[in-house]
Amino acid sequence: NAGVMQNPRHLVRRRGQEARLRCSPMKGHSHVYWYRQLPEEGLKFMVYLQKENIIDESGMPKERFSAEFPKEGPSILRIQQVVRGDSAAYFCASSPSGGLGNEQFFGPGTRLTVL
Amino acid sequence: AQSVTQPDIHITVSEGASLELRCNYSYGATPYLFWYVQSPGQGLQLLLKYFSGDTLVQGIKGFEAEFKRSQSSFNLRKPSVHWSDAAEYFCAVGPGGYNKLIFGAGTRLAVHP
Repeated sequence: NAGVMQNPRHLVRRRGQEARLRCSPMKGHSHVYWYRQLPEEGLKFMVYLQKENIIDESGMPKERFSAEFPKEGPSILRIQQVVRGDSAAYFCASSPSGGLGNEQFFGPGTRLTVL
Repeated sequence: AQSVTQPDIHITVSEGASLELRCNYSYGATPYLFWYVQSPGQGLQLLLKYFSGDTLVQGIKGFEAEFKRSQSSFNLRKPSVHWSDAAEYFCAVGPGGYNKLIFGAGTRLAVHP
């Protein structure tokens, strides 16, 4: 049973470039969550998606950030025109359905470095 | 607003010693509570969770946690620490509804041989 997969594991971008982070949930999971972990901090919720729907994006910065979870393929977190402050670890988690009775399974994260 | 406080940023214990990691939360009702562990360069693994019922919860790897409503706490304990327990530990709150977790800043545990 493959766990949650994220790629790339490490991503280096220069200021102004775009970053695309991919998350493949566990088999049978249709709910995906993105979290960001800044250095020396805990994880902060960004967005919650189901297939083809954004359910809660209250943690997403208003500009430059977007997320999708298409019917086919992985979930994508996209950061346009990256800045140094975007440097962080981005974690994806998945669960089989919504509700707190379902454990979130976390991927290994993508560590984004903006030069 | 809901929040989670982990007062200890770093803790060092000797192998074989007991461990207690503190977690305090702020929430109007009884929240859903979680402890996760993160090894270097890895994702998070769920150690245990509390939803309701018995306030002493058993988890994996020999960990347990006790929910104390009067203190708004959910401290993690282990009677005898192993070197492989060195990692970062995160307490999290699920305010209700769907899975939107609020994490504490984490406690980094070092284990001396």
